[in-house]
Amino acid sequence: DADVTQTPRNRITKTGKRIMLECSQTKGHDRMYWYRQDPGLGLRLIYYSFDVKDINKGEISDGYSVSRQAQAKFSLSLESAIPNQTALYFCATSDSRGPGETQYFGPGTRLLVL
Amino acid sequence: KQEVTQIPAALSVPEGENLVLNCSFTDSAIYNLQWFRQDPGKGLTSLLLIQSSQREQTSGRLNASLDKSSGRSTLYIAASQPGDSATYLCAVDPFNDYKLSFGAGTTVTVRA
Repeated sequence: DADVTQTPRNRITKTGKRIMLECSQTKGHDRMYWYRQDPGLGLRLIYYSFDVKDINKGEISDGYSVSRQAQAKFSLSLESAIPNQTALYFCATSDSRGPGETQYFGPGTRLLVL
Repeated sequence: KQEVTQIPAALSVPEGENLVLNCSFTDSAIYNLQWFRQDPGKGLTSLLLIQSSQREQTSGRLNASLDKSSGRSTLYIAASQPGDSATYLCAVDPFNDYKLSFGAGTTVTVRA
């Protein structure tokens, strides 16, 4: 089983709809992140969480919200989806206790907003 | 704001040729730099992480160098194979705040 899972893997929705993307991890890491990737651009950080009670905005948080339901679960919501939120979304985790922190990524959710 | 650039955006080489991938960043005050591999439908996998105090890291056929003063890193892949075909991204951690800044990536195709 994958260490970092994302559901759904693909989603098509309409403008104005509220949707939620979910991320679960079995790595026991304390830190979790949400990124989006657009063609020709690098990944951009949306939100990050250093533990259940510590949630922070990233570079492009407008139009998004998150919930850290447990150490292992971190959800991203689009309150009212718009077409320019069409992108590939990645969840990632990291362990603050490890030296030289690297991040472990889920397989991504491809979102299309019509 | 840290800007990370990867040139070229795409690269095609015959099998067996050595690959050289470039990454440049605008602010030399970094904590570490990482190279990731991205395969379609599979997310990103960390290949090498170089701490700011290090000059290079090696793993098998992969070698990554870091020159903070010039704001550059290079990923070398020796004796390329078709299985090396993927998109390679570099990311910098701007002084230990864990908010990675990514380049757009270089898509590599290794022809058999």
